[in-house]
Amino acid sequence: LAKTTQPISMDSYEGQEVNITCSHNNIATNDYITWYQQFPSQGPRFIIQGYKTKVTNEVASLFIPADRKSSTLSLPRVSLSDTAVYYCLVADYGGSQGNLIFGKGTKLSVKP
Amino acid sequence: DGGITQSPKYLFRKEGQNVTLSCEQNLNHDAMYWYRQDPGQGLRLIYYSQIVNDFQKGDIAEGYSVSREKKESFPLTVTSAQKNPTAFYLCASSIVGRPNYGYTFGSGTRLTVV
Repeated sequence: LAKTTQPISMDSYEGQEVNITCSHNNIATNDYITWYQQFPSQGPRFIIQGYKTKVTNEVASLFIPADRKSSTLSLPRVSLSDTAVYYCLVADYGGSQGNLIFGKGTKLSVKP
Repeated sequence: DGGITQSPKYLFRKEGQNVTLSCEQNLNHDAMYWYRQDPGQGLRLIYYSQIVNDFQKGDIAEGYSVSREKKESFPLTVTSAQKNPTAFYLCASSIVGRPNYGYTFGSGTRLTVV
């Protein structure tokens, strides 16, 4: 299983762009990269998922280099409500689905 | 709207009691999961099920039991054998083998031993 490494915490200010990088050196060919957001006392929420290059949706962008050994979640113009924990996961959804590993994530604090 | 419903939101357990946490989904998802989260920590997998009448142990299954009699339901029982059950419990579901879909989580049950 591919292990991920991401910063424990990050601070930002409202209106700034935030980039959270995740390392996954042992990513396998069939693995997808998925990011989740979790607010206190709530379940994680799916944000974005990608396999390679760039993926963009209404919430965020996900940049994946050609070697796929890392990925960067980009949150444009953050607001106070983006304060949350962000998890990076790498998994083969067609394979052993019971083994999604949620690390401690990155605690993002957005200040006014 | 489709989703996952966990109940109750808060649960208090006395020492030596078994308690059951409910998880119901109407997403027609094949797979369901139970995670435990302790303060400041990530999620740890307790049990998961990819099909009715079948389930697998996760990383911390000791002291817990589950059943999957219906596709929609995956209840978790915290037994008296679980020595430190106070935690936030999260249920999730997903479509098996569909990489474009992530996990959908419930809103959680906070269990406290009193």
